[in-house]
Amino acid sequence: GNSVTQMEGPVTLSEEAFLTINCTYTATGYPSLFWYVQYPGEGLQLLLKATKADDKGSNKGFEATYRKETTSFHLEKGSVQVSDSAVYFCALPMTTDSWGKFQFGAGTQVVVTP
Amino acid sequence: NAGVTQTPKFQVLKTGQSMTLQCAQDMNHEYMSWYRQDPGMGLRLIHYSVGAGITDQGEVPNGYNVSRSTTEDFPLRLLSAAPSQTSVYFCASSSFSGPPGGQPQHFGDGTRLSIL
Repeated sequence: GNSVTQMEGPVTLSEEAFLTINCTYTATGYPSLFWYVQYPGEGLQLLLKATKADDKGSNKGFEATYRKETTSFHLEKGSVQVSDSAVYFCALPMTTDSWGKFQFGAGTQVVVTP
Repeated sequence: NAGVTQTPKFQVLKTGQSMTLQCAQDMNHEYMSWYRQDPGMGLRLIHYSVGAGITDQGEVPNGYNVSRSTTEDFPLRLLSAAPSQTSVYFCASSSFSGPPGGQPQHFGDGTRLSIL
């Protein structure tokens, strides 16, 4: 099945710093790729997604580009805020024919200080 | 706009006790699943369902049971709780529209379960 690896945390940044969280995947075919965010005490929320190679997903100032040649889907934000402190998960379907079975990365905790 | 609702939010059990974690969704999603979240391990799939009356095992099904009698509800049962089942449990749902794997999952807020 498909798999995903993301960088370990925690990542500690100052407000207005640039954030990158690395995510690489192994997959058969070209599955959709997702980033989810989990705020303290809450469930995961979809942050952005990309459905095919070279697609760029974006939301709330975050961006990620589906890179087929490097099998990567790194998450970036140009200027983080304290409110961006959360755990971020990269995810993809477990197999190319699975609608709801997803493989999640281990999660990367991001801490933004004032 | 409820989405996915999980109850209870917190629970403490003693080893050997049984309990049911409730999950309900109001989006008419065909697909529902249960995950457990443990530190450093991301989310691991316990059981899933592709529709009423149809369930299947995920990565870590041992010690858990599920059933799906309606589209809306997907309860998770712990048959005889063990300390290794201390975790945060998330229920999720998604639709079958579009290509496989293209629809995101919608998560509940989780149930934090401690087994003593």
